[in-house]
Amino acid sequence: AQSVTQLDSQVPVFEEAPVELRCNYSSSVSVYLFWYVQYPNQGLQLLLKYLSGSTLVKGINGFEAEFNKSQTSFHLRKPSVHISDTAEYFCAVSDRGGFKTIFGAGTRLFVKA
Amino acid sequence: GAVVSQHPSRVICKSGTSVKIECRSLDFQATTMFWYRQFPKQSLMLMATSNEGSKATYEQGVEKDKFLINHASLTLSTLTVTSAHPEDSSFYICSALDSGVGTDTQYFGPGTRLTVL
Repeated sequence: AQSVTQLDSQVPVFEEAPVELRCNYSSSVSVYLFWYVQYPNQGLQLLLKYLSGSTLVKGINGFEAEFNKSQTSFHLRKPSVHISDTAEYFCAVSDRGGFKTIFGAGTRLFVKA
Repeated sequence: GAVVSQHPSRVICKSGTSVKIECRSLDFQATTMFWYRQFPKQSLMLMATSNEGSKATYEQGVEKDKFLINHASLTLSTLTVTSAHPEDSSFYICSALDSGVGTDTQYFGPGTRLTVL
């Protein structure tokens, strides 16, 4: 079974500052890792995913994440955030067989002017 | 990118009635779809995995007789909340797995907000 822990429930940050949203996972098997963004009253949009290969993954909207197998982490980063990045961000893990996805509790990113 | 639609986007019903929510993959075939439930300010909880042509697989604690899932075609899965009660009020989100060659991505629908009075 897999589990996902998002270490921060809320992250306030000023516009144009860098941000890191932390995610740790546990699994007894190889997994895929994802970051999704959810705007109010909307579904989820995929930001990026790690399937295999390079541990640094670049996604949409200037976000990137790094897979660290030894630390079982998949932290999300952006060097300079915008007001429009204010949203809920979910880290997720799925097994490589059935694709059942387990989500973290979410981190609310709040970008202040 | 691939698109998944949900209908309706919002529904209000009286306690005791049944509500059907549709999930469609618009430009790809999906042998597997997933149904999630999201309470306010919380994460998504997987309810069940819907497989085309076979019975759905429900997660522990989810009542299969209350949340009926039908995956009758490669582009449509339906979730029916039977005899709905106020505690069933929630945001229901489906996702469809693009099982085409070289792809293994889930695409999420926009969600359906159910309010049971």
